Amino acid sequence: AQSVTQLDSHVSVSEGTPVLLRCNYSSSYSPSLFWYVQHPNKGLQLLLKYTSAATLVKGINGFEAEFKKSETSFHLTKPSAHMSDAAEYFCVVSEGGNYQLIWGAGTKLIIKP
Amino acid sequence: EPEVTQTPSHQVTQMGQEVILRCVPISNHLYFYWYRQILGQKVEFLVSFYNNEISEKSEIFDDQFSVERPDGSNFTLKIRSTKLEDSAMYFCASSVLDGTDTQYFGPGTRLTVL
Repeated sequence: AQSVTQLDSHVSVSEGTPVLLRCNYSSSYSPSLFWYVQHPNKGLQLLLKYTSAATLVKGINGFEAEFKKSETSFHLTKPSAHMSDAAEYFCVVSEGGNYQLIWGAGTKLIIKP
Repeated sequence: EPEVTQTPSHQVTQMGQEVILRCVPISNHLYFYWYRQILGQKVEFLVSFYNNEISEKSEIFDDQFSVERPDGSNFTLKIRSTKLEDSAMYFCASSVLDGTDTQYFGPGTRLTVL
């Protein structure tokens, strides 16, 4: 069975410093992995996705994530945080042939000025 | 850029009433989905829909729920006899293909059952 664990419910960083949001997954098959972002009072926006091509995936707004099969991880990073990055981030897994997305609990990213 | 739209943005209803949440998926997409997020909890899959029938549904999606594509553009979620615990944000999504294809989400409808 698929599952996703986001290791931190809240992450707080200062503007201009690196961001690391951690995600571990469990999947019986080769998964597809996604990061979605939800800004306050907004919908869910796709940041990036991994589908068994390159293990380092680049997304929008300077975010990237690295798929590490040996660690079953798909951590999200950004070299330099911006105030506009303050939002909730969701790690999501899908297995080929299944329609549904399985969601992590979310990590709230707080940016300090 | 095309996007998924949802109406209304906020729906308030009395317990026991029926509600219909509406979604307009992206026009060339073939697969449609509903998810919900109860306040403070994870986003949960409800149902997927393709070729005018349900492809997959979760345990949450019981006889109280139904989906329909009444015309070429709308995709609706009907909740019969609403309960307090149905209060949640409901998200519609669509994708071109199934499986690992990217699902694009609407802004959500916040349903409040009193």
